Formats: sequence, C-alpha cells, structure tokens
Amino acid sequence: AQSVTQPDIHITVSEGASLELRCNYSYGATPYLFWYVQSPGQGLQLLLKYFSGDTLVQGIKGFEAEFKRSQSSFNLRKPSVHWSDAAEYFCAVAPSYNTDKLIFGTGTRLQVFP
Amino acid sequence: DGGITQSPKYLFRKEGQNVTLSCEQNLNHDAMYWYRQDPGQGLRLIYYSQIVNDFQKGDIAEGYSVSREKKESFPLTVTSAQKNPTAFYLCASSTGLGDEQFFGPGTRLTVL
Repeated sequence: AQSVTQPDIHITVSEGASLELRCNYSYGATPYLFWYVQSPGQGLQLLLKYFSGDTLVQGIKGFEAEFKRSQSSFNLRKPSVHWSDAAEYFCAVAPSYNTDKLIFGTGTRLQVFP
Repeated sequence: DGGITQSPKYLFRKEGQNVTLSCEQNLNHDAMYWYRQDPGQGLRLIYYSQIVNDFQKGDIAEGYSVSREKKESFPLTVTSAQKNPTAFYLCASSTGLGDEQFFGPGTRLTVL
C-alpha cells in the first residue's frame, strides 16, 4: 500500500545544533513532496516543496530538503536550530499532480533546549 | 490578503447537538479539504471537494457532513452521530488535488 513514514515521533536537540528529520515514501514513480510545520494550536505552514529538477530544495526559515530517489526519502535539514523552530513537522506526498490528493505522515515533534 | 479563514477559533457544544464549522477561502482554489487532528496524532482526512457541488468522503467521514455550494466556502457539520467529536479541525485548499495545500488557523471543538 502507498504510505508516507516519518520514523521519528519526537526529536530533541540543543539550540545551535544541526537537525535532520526523516521522511520515507512508498510510491513507484517520483511523487510530489512537501514539508509543513505546525506550531501548537495553529494551522500548517509550507516550508518547501519538490516537484522536479534539482534534488536539493531550499525553503523558508533556513530549512532545506534533499530528494533521494534510490532511498525513497525526502529528509528535512537545518544546519543550526533556533528555539523558535520547536514545532511539529509533517512530510506530505502526492503520488501525482491533479489526480491524487496529498498523503501526510504522522509528524515529528521537535523540542529545542537552550 | 489572500488566505483561508476558519471561525470560530474555539467552539463549545453540548453532547447530542449538531455544530457547523466555517471555512472560507479567497485564493480562488478549486479544491478544499477538512482534516481532524487529535493530540499527538497526524492529520486525518474527513471530506474533500474538487469542484463546487461535488465532494468525496475521506478516511473518517462517519458522523460528519459537508456542502460546497460556493467555490469559496466549504462548511463542515459535526453531527450527533460522531462518537468522539472533541478535536482540532483544520480546513485547507489547493489549486489541484496534488498541489500545495494552504491551511486555515483551525477550530478547536470541545463537546461537553
């Protein structure tokens, strides 16, 4: 079955440390890929998206993600985490454009210690 | 400013009452969605609509109903048949099904 997996439910990092959040999907073709962030009690905000082209995608707030076809992964990274990055992060995948709706992963909660 | 509005932010209802959550968008998007989010849970799709006067059930449609009479509006009714309605409800819209979804700020429903 088609699925999106975020293996880490909860991650804790120190402020200033680097961050990598994992996302894996199980679709045959190259899907459309998204990362969203959600602060407590708020809606989701798009961080970045990948449709085609360069496999390293830059987003807002200093985040980037790399699409690796061989590993069916789209991991989110940030070189230096700020306390304001504490939030829930969701990976989402659309198997194809305009025919399949987005499938969301279960999310990774990021906690940042000073 | 273009965006999605959901009202109210907080909603309280007595058990057994139907309640309608509002979702309006001025992004001229064709597709709209309703999600439910419980503490520590991801997003679960309730209903979605690709065009006016048409909508499809999502993964957890039982106990919910929707309408799409106007492109910009997609209200969700939580009926008394929904066994555990207390949750955070998110509305979203997009140009097409597989495109980026824009989210509203959410409505927290508490059934007493």
